Amino acid sequence: EAQVTQNPRYLITVTGKKLTVTCSQNMNHEYMSWYRQDPGLGLRQIYYSMNVEVTDKGDVPEGYKVSRKEKRNFPLILESPSPNQTSLYFCASRSGGGVGNTIYFGEGSWLTVV
Amino acid sequence: GESVGLHLPTLSVQEGDNSIINCAYSNSASDYFIWYKQESGKGPQFIIDIRSNMDKRQGQRVTVLLNKTVKHLSLQIAATQPGDSAVYFCAENYGGSYIPTFGRGTSLIVHP
Repeated sequence: EAQVTQNPRYLITVTGKKLTVTCSQNMNHEYMSWYRQDPGLGLRQIYYSMNVEVTDKGDVPEGYKVSRKEKRNFPLILESPSPNQTSLYFCASRSGGGVGNTIYFGEGSWLTVV
Repeated sequence: GESVGLHLPTLSVQEGDNSIINCAYSNSASDYFIWYKQESGKGPQFIIDIRSNMDKRQGQRVTVLLNKTVKHLSLQIAATQPGDSAVYFCAENYGGSYIPTFGRGTSLIVHP
């Protein structure tokens, strides 16, 4: 079954304590991406990766890091989380760009920073 | 930059009615449009897509209409069921871009 898997699904952490949200896809997709979803703002892209060792900033990259050492994995790293990073996070992957290539989303990770 | 938007943030319908969710886009170069459904506590799931060389595409109980003249996209759900209650997003894509632009979402509430 085609899947994008993210962990943890729910996390409460304290300000400044480094955390990593993992993401893995089993579809051999080259493109992977992280979004955050906030009420009234919809999905905003944090970082994306076009292939192994190729990453780039999205619309809201501040406070986040990513890495793409393997094709299937794309972890999101919060080096020093702050309360404004409390949000719902989605990892996504896509086989190609443009027409006919849909995006597959993970189930989401609820992050609360206190 | 150009963006995708939705006319109504919340739509309430009775079970059995037809639902229409609207979306406006501003990038005339967009050539691919996608509708996603996001149920509570889950990630967005693909529903249906349409290419810019089409005006209409039908799926199972869903139809997407594209009006390029006024840059408008709509999702029609026939005989809406309680299980259709969710947030619906439209997204636009242009060229070979890997990065679509998402709308903010419309919440569909179906009353039994």
